[in-house]
Amino acid sequence: DSGVTQTPKHLITATGQRVTLRCSPRSGDLSVYWYQQSLDQGLQFLIQYYNGEERAKGNILERFSAQQFPDLHSELNLSSLELGDSALYFCASSVETGGVSGANVLTFGAGSRLTVL
Amino acid sequence: AQTVTQSQPEMSVQEAETVTLSCTYDTSESDYYLFWYKQPPSRQMILVIRQEAYKQQNATENRFSVNFQKAAKSFSLKISDSQLGDAAMYFCAYRSAVGIQGGSEKLVFGKGTKLTVNP
Repeated sequence: DSGVTQTPKHLITATGQRVTLRCSPRSGDLSVYWYQQSLDQGLQFLIQYYNGEERAKGNILERFSAQQFPDLHSELNLSSLELGDSALYFCASSVETGGVSGANVLTFGAGSRLTVL
Repeated sequence: AQTVTQSQPEMSVQEAETVTLSCTYDTSESDYYLFWYKQPPSRQMILVIRQEAYKQQNATENRFSVNFQKAAKSFSLKISDSQLGDAAMYFCAYRSAVGIQGGSEKLVFGKGTKLTVNP
């Protein structure tokens, strides 16, 4: 158990629908990162939150959104789902100081497998 | 933007032998960190080893070691005495050093190398 909890583990839904993926970071970690892993694209960075604020944005579609709540858990919302959104979605957390950092390690959750039919 | 390239989509090794996985990266930054992550069939991403760019000494973790060539922007992973449990996808990743102004510690990943260990 990495300490990063993701729910649900598996999700099957239809095109056009909306889903929410949830992530609880490791105790003490302030940063949450979302990654999408598909067969042909590898691990793509979507978005990062640090202590409730958006810190960095990657290749996240406009149909996707995320937020980090005061208790530091994060949710990734995927809407108007398409077949191509089928992927493994990872959440990772780290102790990001916001200042000069060391080689802080990202700890990953087990992922949420999304299948869009 | 930084990029990471893993030129070997698949590799295989005999149990107890040694294998080296290649990784190259492109960056204009002088300070950064490099990582190797392992993803077994369970899909869990597990940190194998990390290297700080300012350190000349290559990192080692038990049977895992790296060959870090900063000028060549190369960061290969050597697995010695390969075991069946080493079979997995291996991802090389790059991270910028975060300065006083802040920034993101996001990782940029290569596309991975699938390692098969033959008994």
